Amino acid sequence: AQTVTQSQPEMSVQEAETVTLSCTYDTSESNYYLFWYKQPPSRQMILVIRQEAYKQQNATENRFSVNFQKAAKSFSLKISDSQLGDTAMYFCAFMKPWGPNTGNQFYFGTGTSLTVIP
Amino acid sequence: NAGVTQTPKFRVLKTGQSMTLLCAQDMNHEYMYWYRQDPGMGLRLIHYSVGEGTTAKGEVPDGYNVSRLKKQNFLLGLESAAPSQTSVYFCASSYPPSLAGLNEQFFGPGTRLTVL
Repeated sequence: AQTVTQSQPEMSVQEAETVTLSCTYDTSESNYYLFWYKQPPSRQMILVIRQEAYKQQNATENRFSVNFQKAAKSFSLKISDSQLGDTAMYFCAFMKPWGPNTGNQFYFGTGTSLTVIP
Repeated sequence: NAGVTQTPKFRVLKTGQSMTLLCAQDMNHEYMYWYRQDPGMGLRLIHYSVGEGTTAKGEVPDGYNVSRLKKQNFLLGLESAAPSQTSVYFCASSYPPSLAGLNEQFFGPGTRLTVL
């Protein structure tokens, strides 16, 4: 089974500063997808960014970027210019390769609660 | 588009009662999923479906049943609720696996269930 580890249960950052959330995973697969989801107090799960394992280039979405180290099985999320609206729980997720009748199965980490301080 | 919707949003049950959670999606997704979210444990997959009329067990299926009679709906049933099933339940849906990158799951707003 795939495991996803987020070793930072809680983090805080000053508004406008940069913060990095860590994520490691364990898999024997060579092709897979990785995701970061954000869950604000509203509870809605929102996709932040995704990374295909076969792509060497790190994904970027505006103020969000990842540092994907495939050999180290590490997938950290960097948030630049932090804003108050970034306060949320952040989940790292691993999607196993597809197969017949398996769907897009996700494995989630336990989450990192990020607080942006004004 | 409403995306993924869940009803009800909140529910309180007594031990032994039964209930059904309804998930509906209007994105024509083939795949649908039910998760539970507990403090400190992230989201865990209960059951999933890869198409109308098909269902399969996830990581924590015991005590739950599901049905996918229509493509747009995925029902989660608790036949005899237990306090251990107190949790927040999320439904999600997705396209079939694709190299085009459309692989993320789209989530509903969640249902908070308390079993006394």
